[in-house]
Amino acid sequence: AQSVTQLGSHVSVSEGALVLLRCNYSSSVPPYLFWYVQYPNQGLQLLLKYTSAATLVKGINGFEAEFKKSETSFHLTKPSAHMSDAAEYFCAVSEAAGNKLTFGGGTRVLVKP
Amino acid sequence: KAGVTQTPRYLIKTRGQQVTLSCSPISGHRSVSWYQQTPGQGLQFLFEYFSETQRNKGNFPGRFSGRQFSNSRSEMNVSTLELGDSALYLCASSLRTGGDTEAFFGQGTRLTVV
Repeated sequence: AQSVTQLGSHVSVSEGALVLLRCNYSSSVPPYLFWYVQYPNQGLQLLLKYTSAATLVKGINGFEAEFKKSETSFHLTKPSAHMSDAAEYFCAVSEAAGNKLTFGGGTRVLVKP
Repeated sequence: KAGVTQTPRYLIKTRGQQVTLSCSPISGHRSVSWYQQTPGQGLQFLFEYFSETQRNKGNFPGRFSGRQFSNSRSEMNVSTLELGDSALYLCASSLRTGGDTEAFFGQGTRLTVV
């Protein structure tokens, strides 16, 4: 079975500082990997996805993630945090067939002025 | 283009009752998936429907069921509600079924069981 681990349930960063959210996955086959963001009382919005093309994936709002097979990781970064980045972020893995997403526990990001 | 619409947005039910939640996918999308989100268990997959057929099912009791109509709209039903069923229920629609397909989420239905 696939699984996803997000290190750190809460992350606090200063405005303008680097945002780094960690995600490790477990999968017996090459996975499809996703990062989603959730704002309060909202659904999830896709930030970016990895589907076996380039290992460095660029997403919306200045976020990017790097797929590292040797480390089974898919960490999310943004060079400079903005107040509007305060939200909860979820890493997810998908099986090859079907649309079942397995999510990590989420990381809540707080941005300090 | 309209997004995924879930109704109602909020719902309060009593233990033992049943509830039906509705999801209208993005026009042209044929796959609908449902997820339960709770503080303790996080986001968990309930089931996926594609072309009116259940394609995949998560590890939930039989009290949780769903269906999809010919226009791709989907409903999920929870019978004999328990306090632990209180959660945000999210619906996601996708153009097709396949692991690399982007899922578009609705705003969810927040169910409170009292």
